Amino acid sequence: DGGITQSPKYLFRKEGQNVTLSCEQNLNHDAMYWYRQDPGQGLRLIYYSQIVNDFQKGDIAEGYSVSREKKESFPLTVTSAQKNPTAFYLCASSISHGTGDVDEQFFGPGTRLTVL
Amino acid sequence: AQSVSQHNHHVILSEAASLELGCNYSYGGTVNLFWYVQYPGQHLQLLLKYFSGDPLVKGIKGFEAEFIKSKFSFNLRKPSVQWSDTAEYFCAVNGGSQGNLIFGKGTKLSVKP
Repeated sequence: DGGITQSPKYLFRKEGQNVTLSCEQNLNHDAMYWYRQDPGQGLRLIYYSQIVNDFQKGDIAEGYSVSREKKESFPLTVTSAQKNPTAFYLCASSISHGTGDVDEQFFGPGTRLTVL
Repeated sequence: AQSVSQHNHHVILSEAASLELGCNYSYGGTVNLFWYVQYPGQHLQLLLKYFSGDPLVKGIKGFEAEFIKSKFSFNLRKPSVQWSDTAEYFCAVNGGSQGNLIFGKGTKLSVKP
């Protein structure tokens, strides 16, 4: 089955702790993305990567970090510097045309993070 | 900066009613346009997309959208909705070769049986 997996589905952490969300894809896509979804806010881009070992900040990167050491993996760390980390986090991937044009993005099932 | 506006936060319709969800974007150059749907408890999935060519685009499940360049709009339509269309709908734009999508805030559609 080709697709994107995110784990875990639900995650609880204490305030002040860093936490890493997993995202893996077997679609052979070059580009991967992390979004945050809050009610009434739509999807806001945190970080994206168009190729291994390279990534760019999105609109709300503060308090988050990523790495892209392998094509199929794009983990997101929510650090203690993120002021309001409780949210639904979505990972996506797509074919990269190398021109900046974005093709269809395929989404994972999401991770709901709750910081207590 | 690019932006996407979805005019309706929540739309409530009865089955068989016609649907039109508005989407306007702010970028003046060439754009790629998308509508995504998120059914309750399911992954976000693509309904349809426009890159070029015929501005009337047909998607899955009877949905269509029309790109009107002069109005910077990409409205989603369906002639007759079903209860199973209850979901949240997101419009998204890629313009200026930025390498990412800008999403609207979404419209929740509730269809009453």
